[in-house]
Amino acid sequence: DTGVSQDPRHKITKRGQNVTFRCDPISEHNRLYWYRQTLGQGPEFLTYFQNEAQLEKSRLLSDRFSAERPKGSFSTLEIQRTEQGDSAMYLCASSLGQGFQPQHFGDGTRLSIL
Amino acid sequence: SQQGEEDPQALSIQEGENATMNCSYKTSINNLQWYRQNSGRGLVHLILIRSNEREKHSGRLRVTLDTSKKSSSLLITASRAADTASYFCATVHSSSGNTPLVFGKGTRLSVIA
Repeated sequence: DTGVSQDPRHKITKRGQNVTFRCDPISEHNRLYWYRQTLGQGPEFLTYFQNEAQLEKSRLLSDRFSAERPKGSFSTLEIQRTEQGDSAMYLCASSLGQGFQPQHFGDGTRLSIL
Repeated sequence: SQQGEEDPQALSIQEGENATMNCSYKTSINNLQWYRQNSGRGLVHLILIRSNEREKHSGRLRVTLDTSKKSSSLLITASRAADTASYFCATVHSSSGNTPLVFGKGTRLSVIA
C-alpha cells in the first residue's frame, strides 16, 4: 500500500514536553496538509505545503507549532511545550496540485497529554 | 472554525435501508466533498461535486447540491454493516485556490445487521 503514512500512530507525553510527528505523503503528490481533529469534531485545517513551500497557516497554529517539508517529500509537525489542549488526532493528507483534487489522508497520530 | 453542519448528528438504520445525511454551509464554494471516517482511522474521499453541478452518483452513493440553499445531501442506498462510519462534508471556498478543506462536525452512521 503506497498511501499516506504517519508516524507514530500514538504518542503519550507529559505536559511541557516537545513532540514531533512525521508524515510521508503519496510520492507523486506535491501538496501536503496538516489537520487537527478532536473527539466528536471534524478535522480543522492547520497548514499546507506545495512542494517545500509552506503556503498557508491557520490561526490555530500557535507559535508553539512548526511544520516543515524540507525536500518537498515528507513533512514534520513539531509542538513545543505541549499543553493539555493539544490532545487530539493530528491528520496528514496529500493531493495532486492541479485543479481541485481529493485529498488522501493518513490514519493520523493520536496525541495524549498527561 | 468549522463551516459545515451535518444533520443528523447520529443516524441508526437497519441493513438494507437507505441513509440520508445533510450538510449546510455558509459561504460561496467552488466544490463540496464527502468523506468517510472509520473509528480511529483517517478520512477516505467518497465523492466531489462542483458548484455548477446539481447531482452526482458513484455506486450506491448519490450526492445533491443546492447552492441557493447552501446545502448538500448524501444518500447511501441499500446500506451495509460496513457502511458504519462517520461521514463529513467538506467545502472548498470559491477563492481559496484549492485549499483548505473546511469540514463539518459529521454524521455518525450505524448500520445494524
